[in-house]
Amino acid sequence: DAKTTQPPSMDCAEGRAANLPCNHSTISGNEYVYWYRQIHSQGPQYIIHGLKNNETNEMASLIITEDRKSSTLILPHATLRDTAVYYCIVRVVEYGNKLVFGAGTILRVKS
Amino acid sequence: NAGVTQTPKFRVLKTGQSMTLLCAQDMNHEYMYWYRQDPGMGLRLIHYSVGEGTTAKGEVPDGYNVSRLKKQNFLLGLESAAPSQTSVYFCASTFSQAGGLYEQYFGPGTRLTVT
Repeated sequence: DAKTTQPPSMDCAEGRAANLPCNHSTISGNEYVYWYRQIHSQGPQYIIHGLKNNETNEMASLIITEDRKSSTLILPHATLRDTAVYYCIVRVVEYGNKLVFGAGTILRVKS
Repeated sequence: NAGVTQTPKFRVLKTGQSMTLLCAQDMNHEYMYWYRQDPGMGLRLIHYSVGEGTTAKGEVPDGYNVSRLKKQNFLLGLESAAPSQTSVYFCASTFSQAGGLYEQYFGPGTRLTVT
């Protein structure tokens, strides 16, 4: 699976958009970008995924650059409950559908 | 639906003792996974299963064994616990389908301390 690079931590003001970047410059054409988050001490929670088009769901938006070498997860109106570690994962759909987690980005939403 | 449940939630073992962690899911998922998470790190895959009666090694399988006798249950065993196995253990499950784009659902974790 392609290696991802994320900033170790970010701060965001409550009510503002949180933009979390992820670099995946070695991504292959058949690899998807997934985002999960882990709120303190809980199991990770799926947020969104995409291949090359931008995606939006009730939780967030995913913007993937045209060359697919980087992406941004956008939480449009961050709340204190969005404070968590956010993991960007790129993987090919294969036997076992395994995920490889990096260290992620700690997002701190502040009032 | 209870989703993914893990038993026990906490456990303290002495070096050399054995124990089994139980993961159960009620979503009829084919695939199940065991991860460990050490402080300040991401999750690492220990073992996984793509169906009843099948298991495979993940990234860090040494010191662990697994069994999937029933589709809804995935057991993780430590035969002789070591302090290096002190960690938080997470179980996850998902559907299998051509394309495999389904999300993984995670349990609440088991906090294991080996003294």
